[in-house]
Amino acid sequence: QVQLQESGPGLVKPSETLSLTCAVSGYSISSGYYWGWIRQPPGKGLEWIGSIYRGGSTNYNPSLKSRVTISVDTSKNQFSLKLSSVTAADTAVYYCARQSYSSTWPHFDYWGQGTLVTVSS
Amino acid sequence: QSVLTQPPSASGTPGQRVTISCSGSSSNIGRNFVYWYQQFSGTAPKLLIDRNNQRPSGVPDRFSGSKSGTSASLAISGLRSEDEADYYCAAWDDSLSGPSVVFGGGTKLTVL
Repeated sequence: QVQLQESGPGLVKPSETLSLTCAVSGYSISSGYYWGWIRQPPGKGLEWIGSIYRGGSTNYNPSLKSRVTISVDTSKNQFSLKLSSVTAADTAVYYCARQSYSSTWPHFDYWGQGTLVTVSS
Repeated sequence: QSVLTQPPSASGTPGQRVTISCSGSSSNIGRNFVYWYQQFSGTAPKLLIDRNNQRPSGVPDRFSGSKSGTSASLAISGLRSEDEADYYCAAWDDSLSGPSVVFGGGTKLTVL
């Protein structure tokens, strides 16, 4: 079955860049689908960060677009998130998920377990 | 403040029917599909309703979704204690300020 696993530092200093990777198993990213990042601040709701297709086409949340870069490495079957100039407001559980064949369908059917990233000095 | 508006809480007793609303606008729910997610504390969300009213494989038929105009609803019939969770609606938003996936703020369902 499709499995996703987030990895990366759990603590990032303010003004630095948050970097996470999502390793996918049980499905080849090259086969299709969009792949997305969603975050959830402690005790709050879900926020979509952005999504990427196998060829590298991306869509980003307009409110985060200036700070976000999502990339894909099909040879490693993984995709990554970089969020620059982080502040305490970026503290959240970060999830990666498989989306759908359409970037305009927020159909996320497989999710990683999530990883808590804390922004603090 | 979320683009899609949900009541922060809802409750019901076992066996009851409960509905959770999700209000949007013409740029999101009014022209695009609505999706619903169920999230238990400390776990990743689970897709509950696909494309307004479709249940993914494995989702009990006690859960149903509907959409009318710029609003959508999730209904849970025959409420069970294990339904106690947070529920989120989601849609694509074609806003001129930038297209985006948008989520509701979430509704915490309590089974009394």
